[in-house]
Amino acid sequence: NAGVTQTPKFQVLKTGQSMTLQCAQDMNHNSMYWYRQDPGMGLRLIYYSASEGTTDKGEVPNGYNVSRLNKREFSLRLESAAPSQTSVYFCASTGRTNSPLHFGNGTRLTVT
Amino acid sequence: ILNVEQSPQSLHVQEGDSTNFTCSFPSSNFYALHWYRWETAKSPEALFVMTLNGDEKKKGRISATLNTKEGYSYLYIKGSQPEDSATYLCAFGRVGGSNYKLTFGKGTLLTVNP
Repeated sequence: NAGVTQTPKFQVLKTGQSMTLQCAQDMNHNSMYWYRQDPGMGLRLIYYSASEGTTDKGEVPNGYNVSRLNKREFSLRLESAAPSQTSVYFCASTGRTNSPLHFGNGTRLTVT
Repeated sequence: ILNVEQSPQSLHVQEGDSTNFTCSFPSSNFYALHWYRWETAKSPEALFVMTLNGDEKKKGRISATLNTKEGYSYLYIKGSQPEDSATYLCAFGRVGGSNYKLTFGKGTLLTVNP
């Protein structure tokens, strides 16, 4: 049972480069989320998708775009990477609003 | 921006000690309160999801209580073991219109010394 799968696990970018972080879940969950984790900041919500076809901004959406490609997949795109986007990114999903989140293993991104 | 506060930020205890942490959250538009355990180099794993005022949940030596009217939740660990060393996160779930958002606190880092 794969759960939530994130790719890649590690990535190094130069300032100004673009990339897409991929996330897929096989639990038939409606809601999917992208968080970033920075030292001393906990998990901060970037974007979320309450259901297929909908997306909404979280606390820190600037510099990011998302696509809910279908019910399984929710991607996060950095159009022009900046050093401030160096972080660990977690994708998560849940089936219902009172159910726990299931997290992927994270993507460690470094922007130089 | 919602304020979800966790205290203390970090805690060092000896094996066998019992300990507790606090999560404070807004008391309006409450929907759910989550607790997660996050070990270094791993992903957060859910401990509890609580939705009703007065809820108490228990899993082994770990338990949690919820007070939605005053906006706080406690997580208790009885007889701490070194394997309990982790960051414990709480997350506040609220409903606004048709949207549901989970906002995390910064966590409490627990270190249990053998």
